[in-house]
Amino acid sequence: EVRLVESGGGLVQPGRSLRLSCVVSGFSFGENAMHWVRQVPGKGLEWVAGISWNGGTMVYADSVKGRFTISRDNARNSLYLEMNSLRAEDTALYYCASEARYSYVLDQWGQGAQVTVS
Amino acid sequence: EIVLSQSPAALSLSPGERATLSCRASQSISTFLAWHQQKPGQAPRLLIYDASNRPTDIPARFSGNGSGTDFTLTINSLEPEDFAVYYCHHRSNWRYIFGQGTKLEIK
Repeated sequence: EVRLVESGGGLVQPGRSLRLSCVVSGFSFGENAMHWVRQVPGKGLEWVAGISWNGGTMVYADSVKGRFTISRDNARNSLYLEMNSLRAEDTALYYCASEARYSYVLDQWGQGAQVTVS
Repeated sequence: EIVLSQSPAALSLSPGERATLSCRASQSISTFLAWHQQKPGQAPRLLIYDASNRPTDIPARFSGNGSGTDFTLTINSLEPEDFAVYYCHHRSNWRYIFGQGTKLEIK
């Protein structure tokens, strides 16, 4: 069974930092690109950041560039999102998602970690 | 930058009816378009990829069509569990772009 489990969310003051983790099981984590996508309750989906299978490529949305850092540890089947200089507008549910190897599509999603900046 | 526009924003139908949802890209994206379903309190679920391909665990009543700039998701004979929000998405230069969603409501 494929599982993606996020952790590390919480309530944080503006300007502070938070680190999200996503532990993956049930597929070959080290072979898949991974992404973070966020969603404000009641609103749509917003892609945040992505990282290649080996960590060699990292890409960010303009809204978080320079503040957020995506990373991975393939030995631990884990994906991370280091969030610095947090703003109220970063408040959202953060999902980790895997990119399929058969197409450019997000095929598996975690249940999300809530981040509230206030 | 590619923009995905979904229509309608909301659609009210009854169980057993057919739903047709639209996603339009601001420029041609070939068939690189996927659809997700999201129910309240749940993560998105992949329904269709490459415009018309269905993962093995997705029921056959879901179908996708289109290429270039115009795409449709059709749900035949709506089941009660199909009432949800549907998003189209596309990957462009490593970045994922989402449509704003269509809410499918029970009439």
